[in-house]
Amino acid sequence: DAGITQSPRHKVTETGTPVTLRCHQTENHRYMYWYRQDPGHGLRLIHYSYGVKDTDKGEVSDGYSVSRSKTEDFLLTLESATSSQTSVYFCAISGGVPYGYTFGSGTRLTVV
Amino acid sequence: GESVGLHLPTLSVQEGDNSIINCAYSNSASDYFIWYKQESGKGPQFIIDIRSNMDKRQGQRVTVLLNKTVKHLSLQIAATQPGDSAVYFCAEIRGGADGLTFGKGTHLIIQP
Repeated sequence: DAGITQSPRHKVTETGTPVTLRCHQTENHRYMYWYRQDPGHGLRLIHYSYGVKDTDKGEVSDGYSVSRSKTEDFLLTLESATSSQTSVYFCAISGGVPYGYTFGSGTRLTVV
Repeated sequence: GESVGLHLPTLSVQEGDNSIINCAYSNSASDYFIWYKQESGKGPQFIIDIRSNMDKRQGQRVTVLLNKTVKHLSLQIAATQPGDSAVYFCAEIRGGADGLTFGKGTHLIIQP
């Protein structure tokens, strides 16, 4: 997707290990979001950022932390991965309504 | 709790027919709604949006209808094509910076 890149695209990790997912944007948008997608639940908001160093929790934030030290990067960290965090993670960016939201291609994380 | 949801998990239509995907929302304070299309292995892709002060909005082959009286949103796809096969999500913005709230999605299947 133009202007937004997620890395890695796929990752397998062991229970109890820390994991960091990266979202990088080139659009200079103020707002950035992390969602997870699971069968039967659609997309659920984990954390979001409304500016550098400004972040807040979403619906399913337990077990996750985020950081945004510069406009273009938004990091999602699983401090100690659990099997329940096996999911597909999507980053989204927005310049605010009515500019809409653009999603990245996703990171498929498997915790074994 | 308040949420955005979809009536049917799967919708099967004949190629060339019109498709109608429905969505119910419960938060009357939501002021912006978006329909997304998600193909397998990809992130959600913007289709069309509508603000709460509108009843209808048309795009290329797609129309979104908003009925605030019954809190109902629908996506109409004209002359459905094989490339329309995907999962469709409605999402609402309830104000503020906390992003989109998604419904669980409808899988649109195109029969030849």
